[in-house]
Amino acid sequence: GAGVSQSPSNKVTEKGKDVELRCDPISGHTALYWYRQRLGQGLEFLIYFQGNSAPDKSGLPSDRFSAERTGESVSTLTIQRTQQEDSAVYLCASSPDAAGWPTGELFFGEGSRLTVL
Amino acid sequence: SQQGEEDPQALSIQEGENATMNCSYKTSINNLQWYRQNSGRGLVHLILIRSNEREKHSGRLRVTLDTSKKSSSLLITASRAADTASYFCATVLNTPLVFGKGTRLSVIA
Repeated sequence: GAGVSQSPSNKVTEKGKDVELRCDPISGHTALYWYRQRLGQGLEFLIYFQGNSAPDKSGLPSDRFSAERTGESVSTLTIQRTQQEDSAVYLCASSPDAAGWPTGELFFGEGSRLTVL
Repeated sequence: SQQGEEDPQALSIQEGENATMNCSYKTSINNLQWYRQNSGRGLVHLILIRSNEREKHSGRLRVTLDTSKKSSSLLITASRAADTASYFCATVLNTPLVFGKGTRLSVIA
């Protein structure tokens, strides 16, 4: 596609439910990132994929959070047993870097706004 | 934890004035990038400056980098109402891009 696509754009869920957030990166981009942004705050790094592998999972806040990527394309971020503090915008980004730590610009999607009631 | 810290947190100026935002960071970097975010949605890359560069221009944007002081500034000249947004600096070394908390710029027509 022309840009990074995220779905759903908005999700309202009840506390304790599981949610899945999807990211379609720009075609051919090997690196994919997930960030979280709470209201009025900066971006908090969650996880990064190089191809289908995740060299850095250090940002995942708890074991309720997991992510996978298949076919060096689509990625899914799953949050189990959601809590109110999980409410935030979840941003996905991709970059074309093929090896090593990506150092160039990131291309962001519009984000998925999650509200946990 | 966040590496970059933008200053000021919020800035309000009149259309046509220049806007200057600053970013300080803590560790060595490969490069520093500035991004813009409208209405809390996706970020858009504005400019990248490498650690061996001191100044870079792109249209109405001017970025400086002082690695000895671990700081950078973003200057937007002749601001427009459409420049109203949040601006973030982000640093890169051997980690994924680390973002600051941003400066909220309001340009009043």
